[in-house]
Amino acid sequence: NAGVMQNPRHLVRRRGQEARLRCSPMKGHSHVYWYRQLPEEGLKFMVYLQKENIIDESGMPKERFSAEFPKEGPSILRIQQVVRGDSAAYFCASSPQSGGFDEQYFGPGTRLTVT
Amino acid sequence: DQQVKQNSPSLSVQEGRISILNCDYTNSMFDYFLWYKKYPAEGPTFLISISSIKDKNEDGRFTVFLNKSAKHLSLHIVPSQPGDSAVYFCAATIQGGSEKLVFGKGTKLTVNP
Repeated sequence: NAGVMQNPRHLVRRRGQEARLRCSPMKGHSHVYWYRQLPEEGLKFMVYLQKENIIDESGMPKERFSAEFPKEGPSILRIQQVVRGDSAAYFCASSPQSGGFDEQYFGPGTRLTVT
Repeated sequence: DQQVKQNSPSLSVQEGRISILNCDYTNSMFDYFLWYKKYPAEGPTFLISISSIKDKNEDGRFTVFLNKSAKHLSLHIVPSQPGDSAVYFCAATIQGGSEKLVFGKGTKLTVNP
């Protein structure tokens, strides 16, 4: 059973470009969470999605950031017009059910570098 | 506003000895706590958790203690092994509420052979 997949693992974007980060949850998992880790910081919650629904986006910056988890395919975190401050590691996690924190598995992360 | 704090950025212990990692929280609504282990270039891996109705949970070499009155928890690793060298994150959440985990900044543990 493959784990949570994230791609790309490393992404370099120039200021003003768009970044698309993909997360494929574990098989059978319908809950996806995105976290961001800035240098020397802990992970910070961004958004929680179920298939075709955004459940909690309280951690998402109000502008330039969006997330989706379509019926088919991976979850996408999209950052428009990236700035240097967006440089971070972005992790997604998946779980089979709500409240299943012990079963929340993290992917290896996407390291975004904005030049 | 840091609701979960790990005040020690790093800790170094000898193989075979006990490692104690500490975590403090400020939000009294938190009722479920987790520890994650993270190696470089990998995602966090769940280690052990504890509900606020307990004060101790044990899993092999790992034990988590919770002191609700002090809003403090600790992770004990006995005996420590070189493979335990990693960054350890404490996280907290509110069961039945939002699904989000609130993480501390992490403590880098080095276990010396």
